[in-house]
Amino acid sequence: QKEVEQNSGPLSVPEGAIASLNCTYSDRGSQSFFWYRQYSGKSPELIMSIYSNGDKEDGRFTAQLNKASQYVSLLIRDSQPSDSATYLCAATGILTGGGNKLTFGTGTQLKVEL
Amino acid sequence: DGGITQSPKYLFRKEGQNVTLSCEQNLNHDAMYWYRQDPGQGLRLIYYSQIVNDFQKGDIAEGYSVSREKKESFPLTVTSAQKNPTAFYLCASRGVRITEAFFGQGTRLTVV
Repeated sequence: QKEVEQNSGPLSVPEGAIASLNCTYSDRGSQSFFWYRQYSGKSPELIMSIYSNGDKEDGRFTAQLNKASQYVSLLIRDSQPSDSATYLCAATGILTGGGNKLTFGTGTQLKVEL
Repeated sequence: DGGITQSPKYLFRKEGQNVTLSCEQNLNHDAMYWYRQDPGQGLRLIYYSQIVNDFQKGDIAEGYSVSREKKESFPLTVTSAQKNPTAFYLCASRGVRITEAFFGQGTRLTVV
């Protein structure tokens, strides 16, 4: 079982619709969760972080966390063509040598169609 | 501007050659990481360092080496022992009380 799992997609939504991206994680000790956006050939860019159960909204983005179900999601409202990218889910974990690491899912490709 | 700088952006390696990827940050972050990204496989951790003069292997450290002589710098050497080095390499850093990681722009390494 992968530590962080995402559907690879592609997820296609029409412009103006809500895009829903999902992620599950296996480490119950994970405390912090992140969504990164990665355009083709570029490095990941942090767009949302969430630490407690419930919803967190930032502009058109809403992150949702359910620790009991080990589930994280990202909603993008009023999707725009510029939102077309790969979205990476990440969760913190404990490294063998101490300290924290970020474990990433393989990403979900989102395509927003005109 | 504060940030993480990776260089070069593109790098070509001949068979049997060692190459070094640079990563410098001026964010005063303690922790630094190297990830490798292959198509469809997400980011995999190569090495990490929590403090100067200390570093640990990640999930795929074989064929790689690092050093952390300065807080700002965490170079990665891809040795000839790494049989399939063609990939996109990403350096990241985090502060002690900051859980988010921030990435450099990446280095794309190709074996020729």
